[in-house]
Amino acid sequence: GESVGLHLPTLSVQEGDNSIINCAYSNSASDYFIWYKQESGKGPQFIIDIRSNMDKRQGQRVTVLLNKTVKHLSLQIAATQPGDSAVYFCAEKTQAGTALIFGKGTTLSVSS
Amino acid sequence: SQTIHQWPATLVQPVGSPLSLECTVEGTSNPNLYWYRQAAGRGLQLLFYSVGIGQISSEVPQNLSASRPQDRQFILSSKKLLLSDSGFYLCAWSSPGELFFGEGSRLTVL
Repeated sequence: GESVGLHLPTLSVQEGDNSIINCAYSNSASDYFIWYKQESGKGPQFIIDIRSNMDKRQGQRVTVLLNKTVKHLSLQIAATQPGDSAVYFCAEKTQAGTALIFGKGTTLSVSS
Repeated sequence: SQTIHQWPATLVQPVGSPLSLECTVEGTSNPNLYWYRQAAGRGLQLLFYSVGIGQISSEVPQNLSASRPQDRQFILSSKKLLLSDSGFYLCAWSSPGELFFGEGSRLTVL
């Protein structure tokens, strides 16, 4: 079964606001995490990843935070734009595992 | 550069009919290959993965099967579709860690 989940199924924000999407995982052996963005009718696209030896990683307008103590992962999107509207998935993998395990996803809606 | 192709993009099939979804990867050798299913409003469920030709691991019991006849070809099949097989099927390949997805195949079973 799934070991990764998200706190909220939907998140609505105004254009220009910062968005925070949360994810909790249950497998303490997971050492690699990825955030994916999925637009309607398309396959998921890689956003950013982080390994368990880090607690923060920044990309362009996105930041991933990892708190291994409470097994929590978050994706922060700065200055959210309408084009950011999509479903966001977190995924985890253990060093011994072959496949990524995905959570259910959070739908981000950005209004102008 | 690596690309992944998946077809057909959409498919409407009657209950009890067979299924074949095909996925091919270009630009890489000996990739790990995966089939995921995404039901409406749900997350991605891993169905099968393959680490090499003829090597298939099944994650969930079901009436689907997978085959890997060539290094960069992964096929998802069913002999008799069920209504519950409807969903969005995604093929993916991985480099160490990151997963790259195809554009998906939307299956509707009526």
